[in-house]
Parts: sequence; C-alpha cells; structure tokens
Amino acid sequence: AQSVTQPDIHITVSEGASLELRCNYSYGATPYLFWYVQSPGQGLQLLLKYFSGDTLVQGIKGFEAEFKRSQSSFNLRKPSVHWSDAAEYFCAVISENQGGKLIFGQGTELSVKP
Amino acid sequence: NAGVTQTPKFQVLKTGQSMTLQCAQDMNHEYMSWYRQDPGMGLRLIHYSVGAGITDQGEVPNGYNVSRSTTEDFPLRLLSAAPSQTSVYFCASSYKLSGNTIYFGEGSWLTVV
Repeated sequence: AQSVTQPDIHITVSEGASLELRCNYSYGATPYLFWYVQSPGQGLQLLLKYFSGDTLVQGIKGFEAEFKRSQSSFNLRKPSVHWSDAAEYFCAVISENQGGKLIFGQGTELSVKP
Repeated sequence: NAGVTQTPKFQVLKTGQSMTLQCAQDMNHEYMSWYRQDPGMGLRLIHYSVGAGITDQGEVPNGYNVSRSTTEDFPLRLLSAAPSQTSVYFCASSYKLSGNTIYFGEGSWLTVV
C-alpha cells in the first residue's frame, strides 16, 4: 500500500538558518507529490507540487523541493527561514488506484527561534 | 473566489446527536473528499466522490455518511456523534483524480462532549 513518512515530528531552527524537511514515500508508479503548510487554527495551503519533469520544484514563500526517485524522497527546503514559517508541514502523495485520494504523512511541526 | 466552502467552522455536539458538515465548491470539480485531522496522524480520508451520484469509503468511514446529489455539494453526516469524532474536518476537491491540484476548505472544528 502507498504510504508517506515524515521522520521528524518536530524541528526547531534559528531564524535565518536553512531548513530541510524530510519526506519519504512508498509508491509503485510515478507519484504525484505535494507539500502543504498549515498554520495554527488554519486550513491547508499548497506550497508546491511535483507531477513530472524537472525534479527540482519551486513553490511559494521561497520553498523548493527535490524529487529523488532512487531514494523515494521529496524533501522540502528553504535557504533562510523566517519566523512566519513556523507551522506544521505535510507531505502527501496521490494514490491513483485508491480513487485518487491524497495520502498524507504525519506532519512535521516547525518552530523558529529568534 | 469562493473555492471550497465548509460550514460550520466550529461546532460542539453532545454524544448521540447528529449533524451535517456542509461542503460546496464552485469550480465544477468532479472529485470531492472529506478528511479528518487528528494530532500526530496527519489527514485521513473518510469518504470521497468521483462525481455526482458516486461515493466510496476511505480509510476511516465508520460513523459517517455522505451523498453527492449535485456536482457542487458533498455533505458529511454524523449520524450519532461520539467523542472519538472530535476532530478537524477538511473538505477537498479537484478536477480529476490526479494530475491536478487538490483544493481544501478552511476546516471545521468539531467537538463531541
């Protein structure tokens, strides 16, 4: 069965430092991959998505992610974190053989210290 | 741009009560779904629909009913609320099963006491 794993439940980084959030997926075919961000008490906002083509994907708010098929990974990166980036981040993959549903990872909570 | 609209945003229910979470989208999307979000578990699919008149179960369907009488609307019904259904619920929609962005509503915070 398809699955998504985010190994880090909680990460703390200093403002201005670089960030990498890990995501590993288990999927037989070419995956459609997403990163969403959720601020406290808010809904989900799409940061970026990968469907095909260039494996380095640019998103909103200065985020990027790289699809690495050999490692089954889709890690999210940002060169310099801002305090407003503190939120929960979800990696997700579409499961085509299960009605096209999104399968989510457990989420990574990001804290930013001054 | 209305997008995906969920109502109500907040609701408190007593155990055994019934209620309906409403979801509507104005983008003519074929695919609609309901997720629940619980701490440490990400979002889990409750029910989904690939078009009007067609619904199917997701990962955690027990205790919930859905219907899709129109393309625009996909209500989620709790028949007899239980404390285990305390959660945040998200409705989502997209044009196709895959290859298109999935749009989420803003969420409905439900507490069952």
